[in-house]
Amino acid sequence: AQRVTQPEKLLSVFKGAPVELKCNYSYSGSPELFWYVQYSRQRLQLLLRHISRESIKGFTADLNKGETSFHLKKPFAQEEDSAMYYCALSGGGGSEKLVFGKGTKLTVNP
Amino acid sequence: GAVVSQHPSWVICKSGTSVKIECRSLDFQATTMFWYRQFPKQSLMLMATSNEGSKATYEQGVEKDKFLINHASLTLSTLTVTSAHPEDSSFYICSARDLGQGPFFGQGTRLTVV
Repeated sequence: AQRVTQPEKLLSVFKGAPVELKCNYSYSGSPELFWYVQYSRQRLQLLLRHISRESIKGFTADLNKGETSFHLKKPFAQEEDSAMYYCALSGGGGSEKLVFGKGTKLTVNP
Repeated sequence: GAVVSQHPSWVICKSGTSVKIECRSLDFQATTMFWYRQFPKQSLMLMATSNEGSKATYEQGVEKDKFLINHASLTLSTLTVTSAHPEDSSFYICSARDLGQGPFFGQGTRLTVV
């Protein structure tokens, strides 16, 4: 079974501080991991896919298969990063379902 | 990124009636679309996987006779909430995937059953 755990419901940091949003997963095969962001009153937006290894808006995430983690990091948080962040897992391929973690609400204080 | 559009964005219906929500992939073909439900301040709960030209696959606990899903073309999937009740009031979100990109999400549909 696919399972995604985001242990922190809320995370608050000051502007300019580093931020790490934790995500752990459980899946027996080779997963695809994603991070989505949802700003207030907006739709979910794809932030990162582990296979693309991109850096979007200064965020990075590395898949650690040994620790079954896909933590999202940014070295210097900005106020506009305040949003809900969801980690998600797919079993791979084009049609596998995407299962979400419960989300972490990030607040970046001035 | 690719665009997924839902219609309507919000709908109010009377208890006992049915309401249909459309999900369209505007600039790509999606053989698979997914329907989610999101309660206030909660995460997305997958309801079903919709495959073009075949029956949808429902998650455990989701009533297939209540939430009818049709995926008639590569760009359109519909979710019909039948005999709606107030407890069906929620935010319904669809997503679609293009091989190599996404999944991309629609803006969601706020359903209120009165």
